[in-house]
Order: sequence, then C-alpha cells, then structure tokens
Amino acid sequence: AQKVTQAQTEISVVEKEDVTLDCVYETRDTTYYLFWYKQPPSGELVFLIRRNSFDEQNEISGRYSWNFQKSTSSFNFTITASQVVDSAVYFCALYGGTSYGKLTFGQGTILTVHP
Amino acid sequence: KAGVTQTPRYLIKTRGQQVTLSCSPISGHRSVSWYQQTPGQGLQFLFEYFSETQRNKGNFPGRFSGRQFSNSRSEMNVSTLELGDSALYLCASSLAGLADLNSYNEQFFGPGTRLTVL
Repeated sequence: AQKVTQAQTEISVVEKEDVTLDCVYETRDTTYYLFWYKQPPSGELVFLIRRNSFDEQNEISGRYSWNFQKSTSSFNFTITASQVVDSAVYFCALYGGTSYGKLTFGQGTILTVHP
Repeated sequence: KAGVTQTPRYLIKTRGQQVTLSCSPISGHRSVSWYQQTPGQGLQFLFEYFSETQRNKGNFPGRFSGRQFSNSRSEMNVSTLELGDSALYLCASSLAGLADLNSYNEQFFGPGTRLTVL
C-alpha cells in the first residue's frame, strides 16, 4: 500500500519568509513519481512540481525548490520569499507502479502568508 | 487550449437521490480520473477511465460508478445519496494512461463539483 504523510497541518508565515513543507511517503514500488500540488480557495488543484524515483537531483524553479531523499523517503518543498498569493493548501502526492490514474495524496498543509 | 471542465459546479441533493457529474477532459487527453475530497478523509481516488474502459477503482461502495464516452468525456454517478457523500468531486485528465512510468503525463485537474447532500 502507498501512503503519503504531511505532518504539518497548518503553517503561518509573514511575507518574504522562506517556508518548507514536509512530505514523507511509503511505497513498495521501485519506480514512482512524487508531486506537489497547490489548491487555492477556488478549489482547482494546480500542478507545481514532480520528481521521479530515478532522479534525486534537487532543483530550483523560480521561487520553488525541492529536496528529494530516497534514503529517508522524504520529498520536501520550499517556497523562497513567500508572497500573499502563495496562501493555499499544498498537497504532496505519489504515483507508483501500475496504479493507473491513481495519485495518493497527503492530508495537505494549509499555508497562510500574512502581509 | 481549454482546461478540464466539470459540470455542474455546485449541486444540492437530498438523501436517497442520485446524482450525475460530468467531466470534459483537455482535448486529446484520453485518461480521466475522479477523486473525492472531504475535510475528514482528504483526497481519495475513485476510479480511472482510459479509452472507455475502467482500469482502476478506489475503495468506494458500488453506489459510486462511472463511465467514459468515445470522446473521452466522463461521467460519474452516485446513487442513493448519503450525508457523507457531501464533498468536492474533482476530475483530472492526462494524455496517456500512466501505464508507462517512463513517459508519465501529469494529471490536470478541473475546478470540481461541490455536492451537498441534505
């Protein structure tokens, strides 16, 4: 069975602070993908980043960066210089094996960025 | 390019009724997945359709069903509604069927249908 855990239920920061969202996953698949999605109040899930299990290279994309470590089954996501528009619920998700179309989501982290 | 559309956006039903939700994927996408989102259970996978065939199903009772048409549009149906079925129902489409992890295609989500059961 697959499982994704986001231990942080809510995070509150002040604008321009950096914020890291934690994600820990469990899977028996040797090949899998990890994702971060953002859900603003409108409800639509917006794809942010993905990483496959073959590549542990960490990257930066604009204000977003991620830290993927297979040894600890973690896939943390950092927003640098947060902005009020970053306020949303963030979900970490896992796709693996032959789970046709099935993403396994964490419980989500509510991020509030105050001006 | 138009995104994933879902209709209706909001729906109010009473217990015991049935409901049908519709999802139109992005043009060219052949895979449609459905998810239920509730405050208590979070985002849970319902089922996935690819080329009119259900390939995967989550752990939901038989009251939840779906289908996909030849134009890739999909519908899901919930019969004998219960209070606990109140949720945001999201559908997502992708180019291929995620069968080959080496060529994974992201799922793009629609805005959802908010169902309230009274």
